[in-house]
Amino acid sequence: YELTQPPSVSVSPGQTARISCSGNALPDQFAYWYQQKPGQAPLLIIYKDTERPSGIPARFSGSSSGTTVTLTISGVQAEDEADYYCQSADISGVYEIFGGGTKLTVL
Amino acid sequence: QLQLQASGPGLVKTSETLSLTCTVSGASLDNHEFSWGWIRQPPGKGLEWIGNIYNNGSIFYKPSLKSRVAIVVDASKNQFSLKLQSATVTDTAVYYCALARYYYGSGALAFDVWGQSTMVSVSS
Repeated sequence: YELTQPPSVSVSPGQTARISCSGNALPDQFAYWYQQKPGQAPLLIIYKDTERPSGIPARFSGSSSGTTVTLTISGVQAEDEADYYCQSADISGVYEIFGGGTKLTVL
Repeated sequence: QLQLQASGPGLVKTSETLSLTCTVSGASLDNHEFSWGWIRQPPGKGLEWIGNIYNNGSIFYKPSLKSRVAIVVDASKNQFSLKLQSATVTDTAVYYCALARYYYGSGALAFDVWGQSTMVSVSS
């Protein structure tokens, strides 16, 4: 089972970045999104497809449609440059899996 | 404040057992709301889930690692450990321990709190 993400996304400051994650079990399992900056541990930024943990800026949002979930960053800032990973489980809900990661570059 | 700290040898010889410990503070490993897991990241690559242990005794491992890996809880020390047998150079990675939450309606876990990582190099 795989979660497929684009390797890279580039946007200019103030624009909207969208990062997709596709997987056959996503209609049945929650998806989560993590932000990872160099040398740091990943940070959970979206849980249960669309929920945002406290302390995460409102410009980060998640959506789900069928076998694809999407992380949207509205009004991208330079500090948002990072690697972003989606994560979910297989259809059984037992085995966790991470997407390959997407490098967001802020031009 | 909830914190996790991974520790262990930074260098392991090929064919030997990689052993790491995660020390948890600010939460009890007996808490039924949480699961405890290990994730790794080879240099320059993405995240790879290794396995999770639940306090009902259930343990799930990545299928491709299942024959070599074990996660064990020591509740008396509030620690959980990872043992990976027959280490190879492909096990070289930054290893993270993490607290995971599960939500009704899905088996997928949210890795909510990540510990300070430990880098392990496997070499002959």
